[in-house]
Amino acid sequence: EDKVVQSPLSLVVHEGDTVTLNCSYEVTNFRSLLWYKQEKKAPTFLFMLTSSGIEKKSGRLSSILDKKELFSILNITATQTGDSAVYLCAAQRGANSKLTFGKGITLSVRP
Amino acid sequence: NAGVTQTPKFRILKIGQSMTLQCAQDMNHNYMYWYRQDPGMGLKLIYYSVGAGITDKGEVPNGYNVSRSTTEYFPLRLELAAPSQTSVYFCASSKMNTEAFFGQGTRLTVV
Repeated sequence: EDKVVQSPLSLVVHEGDTVTLNCSYEVTNFRSLLWYKQEKKAPTFLFMLTSSGIEKKSGRLSSILDKKELFSILNITATQTGDSAVYLCAAQRGANSKLTFGKGITLSVRP
Repeated sequence: NAGVTQTPKFRILKIGQSMTLQCAQDMNHNYMYWYRQDPGMGLKLIYYSVGAGITDKGEVPNGYNVSRSTTEYFPLRLELAAPSQTSVYFCASSKMNTEAFFGQGTRLTVV
């Protein structure tokens, strides 16, 4: 059975802090690891990682995949209150593009 | 751009009633998915489809049915609603091996 585990499950930081969100996976026929941000409604896409060791960046957010250790991290630097959300990690199978999600990490950024 | 459209946004059902959650996408995506999200539990896959006429079960299919007669539409049917089906339901679509795009969700309460 495919499994994705995220840690920590919740996190409270102050504005300006740097946070690291963790995601480990065990998925048959693994193809990609995806990160989503969810604020109240639908998850919105952040990153898709297919190759090991190549960092993807978007502004203050960055992410990297380690396919040997079956692990990914999402970093957010200089956090802002607008970063408060649930961050979801999902592992994608190659055969049918099926996504298995972790439980999510609730990040709260205090002013 | 409409993307993935779900209706209704909210619904209250009585135990034993049936209903269909509608999902449509206008991106010509072959892959479509139904997830449910319970508090603190991430997203669980109910059913998915890799193309018109093809559907398959996900992690939690019991109590649900789907059909995929066209590329655009992927309705989810609840035949005999139970309180355990109280949840937020998300429909998503993707091309092969790309990120999934989510609808805005349907909040369903069964009383």
